[in-house]
Amino acid sequence: AQSVTQLDSQVPVFEEAPVELRCNYSSSVSVYLFWYVQYPNQGLQLLLKYLSGSTLVKGINGFEAEFNKSQTSFHLRKPSVHISDTAEYFCAVSYQTGANNLFFGTGTRLTVIP
Amino acid sequence: EAQVTQNPRYLITVTGKKLTVTCSQNMNHEYMSWYRQDPGLGLRQIYYSMNVEVTDKGDVPEGYKVSRKEKRNFPLILESPSPNQTSLYFCASSLGGPTYEQYFGPGTRLTVT
Repeated sequence: AQSVTQLDSQVPVFEEAPVELRCNYSSSVSVYLFWYVQYPNQGLQLLLKYLSGSTLVKGINGFEAEFNKSQTSFHLRKPSVHISDTAEYFCAVSYQTGANNLFFGTGTRLTVIP
Repeated sequence: EAQVTQNPRYLITVTGKKLTVTCSQNMNHEYMSWYRQDPGLGLRQIYYSMNVEVTDKGDVPEGYKVSRKEKRNFPLILESPSPNQTSLYFCASSLGGPTYEQYFGPGTRLTVT
């Protein structure tokens, strides 16, 4: 069975502080990994993705994530957050075996405190 | 403007009354998908479509139907809605498969009483 686990449902952080949002996956096959962000009352938009190559992936708005195959993790980081980063963040996985499903984690609500 | 549109945005209905939520994209995308979002459960895929007349089940297809007669449209049909289908629904599209960036619609909030 495949799954995506986001260990923290809520993460409060002060403005300009660094943040890490954790994501772990379980899979018996190779995966593609994604982070999506959902701002209040909006649909989701892609932050970044890992398909292959360099394990450090840079995305929009200063976010980056590192694929760690041995730890089956894909944690999202930002060195200095802004108020505008307050949103819900979803990790997602799809599989390289040809399936076209996309599986999302339960989400992490990031709240940036002024 | 490139976009995915959904209608209606809000819907309150009663158990058993058939309804359709429409989804349309203007980007000539091949892949379209429906998700439901529930608190504490994240997004779960209901159905997806790789192209016209090609659809397949996602994670939670029970109680839903879809069709893809035209490339731009991918309606979600609830033949006999039940209260456990009360949720926030999102349609998404991409060039080809989930490895491409998914473009999401604004969401449809459905309440079944």
